[in-house]
Amino acid sequence: QVQLVESGGGVVQPGRSLRLSCAASGFTFSNYAMHWVRQAPGKGLEWLAVISHDGVNPYYRDSVKGRFTISRDNSKNTLYLQLNSLTPEDTAVYYCAKDRGFVVVVAAFEDWGQGTLVTVSS
Amino acid sequence: EIVMSQSPATLSVSPGERATLSCRASQNIRSKLAWYQRKAGQPPRLLIYAASARATGIPAGFSGSGSGTEFTLTISSLQSEDFAIYYCQQYNSWPPTFGQGTKLEIK
Repeated sequence: QVQLVESGGGVVQPGRSLRLSCAASGFTFSNYAMHWVRQAPGKGLEWLAVISHDGVNPYYRDSVKGRFTISRDNSKNTLYLQLNSLTPEDTAVYYCAKDRGFVVVVAAFEDWGQGTLVTVSS
Repeated sequence: EIVMSQSPATLSVSPGERATLSCRASQNIRSKLAWYQRKAGQPPRLLIYAASARATGIPAGFSGSGSGTEFTLTISSLQSEDFAIYYCQQYNSWPPTFGQGTKLEIK
């Protein structure tokens, strides 16, 4: 079965960086686009970024463009999210999610990890 | 950005009864709508995509309908495990956006 396991979260000071990872198993990772979605405390779900199955086409929501970088290593079945210049508003649980589409990007999220908590605080 | 609005915020229904949840998009999203179920401490679970197609393993008691800007999720006969928060999400336009959720609670 599909498994997505995020890691890399923790407490970080404002202005610092963090890299999140998402280890995938149970499916052919290189055939699916992957996403990052977050949920801040008391707030709704917010899509952040997508990367195509082959890693060629990343796409971001405007509010994180230039600060966050999504990438993937298909040889390691792992998705990443580099978070830079973090602010307290970035405090959230970060989820990786597998796209429903085979090779194409659909942006419906078929499988989710359990999430990793990022807390930005001095 | 397309705004997704869900109603009601909380829905109280007795086990065995039918629940109807609504989702409205601020623009026409055709049928590019998904529904998710979320239980405490768990990530969202895809129930419905393309407005009315059930995801793999989802029981027939869950059904979705609608197109354009108005959508409905119906749960035909509520079981104890169905009480959760339900989110709609559009994927017609970037960025994908979610509704704020409807909490389905036991009456």
